[in-house]
Formats: sequence, C-alpha cells, structure tokens
Amino acid sequence: DVVMTQTPLSLSVTPGQPASISCKSSQSLLYSDGKTYLHWYLQKPGQSPQLLIYEVSSRLSGVPDRFSGSGSGTDFTLKISRVEAEDVGVYFCMQSIEFITFGQGTRLEIK
Amino acid sequence: QVQLQQWGAGLLKPSETLSLTCAVYGASFSDYYWTWIRQSPVKGLEWIGEINGTGSTNYNPSLESRVTISADTSKQQLSLNLTSVTAADTAVYYCATLGYTGDYWGQGTLVTVSS
Repeated sequence: DVVMTQTPLSLSVTPGQPASISCKSSQSLLYSDGKTYLHWYLQKPGQSPQLLIYEVSSRLSGVPDRFSGSGSGTDFTLKISRVEAEDVGVYFCMQSIEFITFGQGTRLEIK
Repeated sequence: QVQLQQWGAGLLKPSETLSLTCAVYGASFSDYYWTWIRQSPVKGLEWIGEINGTGSTNYNPSLESRVTISADTSKQQLSLNLTSVTAADTAVYYCATLGYTGDYWGQGTLVTVSS
C-alpha cells in the first residue's frame, strides 16, 4: 500500500491568515508518463468530499486561487493564502498511482 | 448536471452481505471509472474498488476476497456487494467518479453492522 501521512491533523486559523498542510507518501507518486498522481480534497461539514487540486498543483475549475498545491516525489503541500470561513472542513490528500489511498485528513477550523 | 444517487440497507448483522446500488444521471456511464469508497472514524477514507464502462474491475487488495462491484450499463447503475460483514465494516459508503474530467460523489449511505 502507498501510505499517505498528513500533518498537522488539525489547524485553527484566523480569517485572512495563511494555512499550510503537508502530505508525505511512502513512495514516489511520479509516474512514467511524467505526471504526479497526488490530489487534494476538501470535505465540508455534512458533505461528500470535493476535488480541489489534481496532479499536485492544478486547480479544478471554480476553485479559488487562494488555494495552491506544490511538491514533488513524496513530499507535497497545500497552501491557503488567506483563509476564509467557507474553507472550514477536513482536507485530504489522495494518491492514485497505485490503486487509491488517502491521508488521514487535516481538520481546519476558524479561530 | 451529473448526479449520483445511492441506496441500500443501512443496518446489517454480522456475517450478512452488504448491498448498495448507485444510479448515475447526467453522465455517460461508459466514459468513466465508477468507484466505491467508504469512510469511518477508525480507518478514514478507504477505496474499495472500481469498475469501468466495459465491466473491468479493480479492488482494494485488503477487501478483494469479499467484494464484488458490478454494473448495469443499460440502467446506468453500479452495485457493491460486500460479504461476511463485521463491525469493522461500519462506515459511510460513497459511490463516486474521481478525477479532473469529472469528480462526482453520491450523498453517502451509512451502513451499521451490529448484532
């Protein structure tokens, strides 16, 4: 199994301040096609997860540009430049290079 | 607008078989891989398996001996069967299709296994 490890497991952020979530994989997510199969999801309270960023850094259409993803190989980061109240929820990283596995989730709350 | 609507029994006894169905609206069934994922407080999000429009399947190795995912393309439905359930199978089960070409999830079905 490709094990995904997120840190921190919870974040409390003042609106307007930045937030950062780390995700590390137990093996490289770079595939032979040159793509890196690391994605970020947000699960808002009471909802199903929704895709925010795919292949490390590509934002899905409609996702605000305050969200950005970076990283390579086994180390990845999701950053929110200025947290807003609507960003509350649990963030998951997900790999799809070998079946699919998720990180444990990082709960973001507003101070 | 793509919608996934799922249903199935929500309360099972140990050793019974979990059966869920998911109907796909607004998308061509043959164009995507359709996935079952479950979520529990203990294990978090866990991928169960997937099926494509031609019926090809992939399963989580940890569940493969108990899982069957099937599809009725004429009805645009996929189904999940999980045999010999235990309390560890208690979770919210989602049908979904994942990826930037279309990332859609059902509403989730809480399945509780209890004697």
